Amino acid sequence: DAGVIQSPRHEVTEMGQEVTLRCKPISGHDYLFWYRQTMMRGLELLIYFNNNVPIDDSGMPEDRFSAKMPNASFSTLKIQPSEPRDSAVYFCASSLDGGAPYNEQFFGPGTRLTVL
Amino acid sequence: AQSVTQLGSHVSVSEGALVLLRCNYSSSVPPYLFWYVQYPNQGLQLLLKYTSAATLVKGINGFEAEFKKSETSFHLTKPSAHMSDAAEYFCAVSADTGGFKTIFGAGTRLFVKA
Repeated sequence: DAGVIQSPRHEVTEMGQEVTLRCKPISGHDYLFWYRQTMMRGLELLIYFNNNVPIDDSGMPEDRFSAKMPNASFSTLKIQPSEPRDSAVYFCASSLDGGAPYNEQFFGPGTRLTVL
Repeated sequence: AQSVTQLGSHVSVSEGALVLLRCNYSSSVPPYLFWYVQYPNQGLQLLLKYTSAATLVKGINGFEAEFKKSETSFHLTKPSAHMSDAAEYFCAVSADTGGFKTIFGAGTRLFVKA
């Protein structure tokens, strides 16, 4: 398996622009997670899906952030409008087997977002 | 609710020396505990996990961790550090509370000196 795939790997944009980050989870995995990593706040869970349905979005910082999972093999995280404080590395991760809390998460390589 | 605290944001060891990265957890129910490693410009990958089967857990690359309930700890060790171990290490906790949320620690960056 190719693992979790994220695109783009790097994104540089200007404040106010819309940014869309993409993720393809490992085939067969039924959980998908979006994280944000910064030096100041560490690794933060933004939202997670189970079988394409958002389960917990309490980590989404504000209404400028939205996430969708239209099918089992694709998810997007959108920021509109973007702000400099959104600059971070965004990770997508997936996990198998119906909610078992002991199952590991498989992380993608991340998208490094820079908002100027 | 669960939480995890990693003691020391940076740890520096000499090549061949013992590696000890500290993690303490808090959980109101029996926890599941993980150590993940992140190499530069990569995502996190699992080193090892504790799922109540055995208190001493062995992982990849010679790492191991011991679950100590009385101390609420899950420290990561490796007898002899290698240059390739330089990375950031994350302790994480999860639990069967009806949801599925893994809480990650702040991370410890390991430096290995030649």
